[in-house]
Amino acid sequence: GIQVEQSPPDLILQEGANSTLRCNFSDSVNNLQWFHQNPWGQLINLFYIPSGTKQNGRLSATTVATERYSLLYISSSQTTDSGVYFCAVVGYYGQNFVFGPGTRLSVLP
Amino acid sequence: DTGVSQNPRHKITKRGQNVTFRCDPISEHNRLYWYRQTLGQGPEFLTYFQNEAQLEKSRLLSDRFSAERPKGSFSTLEIQRTEQGDSAMYLCASSKDIRLGGEQFFGPGTRLTVL
Repeated sequence: GIQVEQSPPDLILQEGANSTLRCNFSDSVNNLQWFHQNPWGQLINLFYIPSGTKQNGRLSATTVATERYSLLYISSSQTTDSGVYFCAVVGYYGQNFVFGPGTRLSVLP
Repeated sequence: DTGVSQNPRHKITKRGQNVTFRCDPISEHNRLYWYRQTLGQGPEFLTYFQNEAQLEKSRLLSDRFSAERPKGSFSTLEIQRTEQGDSAMYLCASSKDIRLGGEQFFGPGTRLTVL
C-alpha cells in the first residue's frame, strides 16, 4: 500500500518564527489533507489539498502531486500552534486515509 | 452542520468486558470511517461504510470487533472481550462520496482504557 513520510519528526520554535513541514508519499493520490491534532486528540482540518496551493491566514500548503510531496507552511508561529501535524492521503485506488507519523511542533513563548 | 459527534468521549472497562461506541456523522455525508490511534502514532484505518454497506475492513479489525451502520446514518463499533491492547483512541470520520471531493471530517474520538 501507499507509504507516507513526514519530516521533521519534532520541531521546536520560538514564537514568531516560520516553519515548513514536509509530507512525502509513495504513489498517486486522490486526496491529501493536513490536520492539526490538539492536546485533547481532536483532529482539526487545515487543508484539503490533493494538488495546488492554498492559504488560510498564517498557514499555507502546496501539493506537487507529480513529485509526490506536500508542504505545510506556518508563518509567525504562536504557542497555540503547538501540537501534532498529520498529513493523510488516499491512494489513487484506495478509499481510506493512510496517515503519516506526524510532526510534533512545540512553540515556545 | 453540527460536525461529527462521538459517544462516549471516554470509556474505562475491565478486560473481558464488551464495549460499544457510537458515531453520528455529518448529515449529508454518505461515507463513514473508523480509525484507531495509539499513543504517539498516527491514526490507522479500521473500516468504512458507504451508506449502510460496510465496504472495506482492515486486517486490524479482528473477529472481536464489529461495526454497523444500520440505516446509513449513525454507526456503532463494538469490541467484545476487550484486551489491554485495545486501549486506544477510536476516531470516526465522515465524508461525501470520494468522487465528489471526499474531504474527511473527524469527530472528537472515544478514548478507551482497558484495565
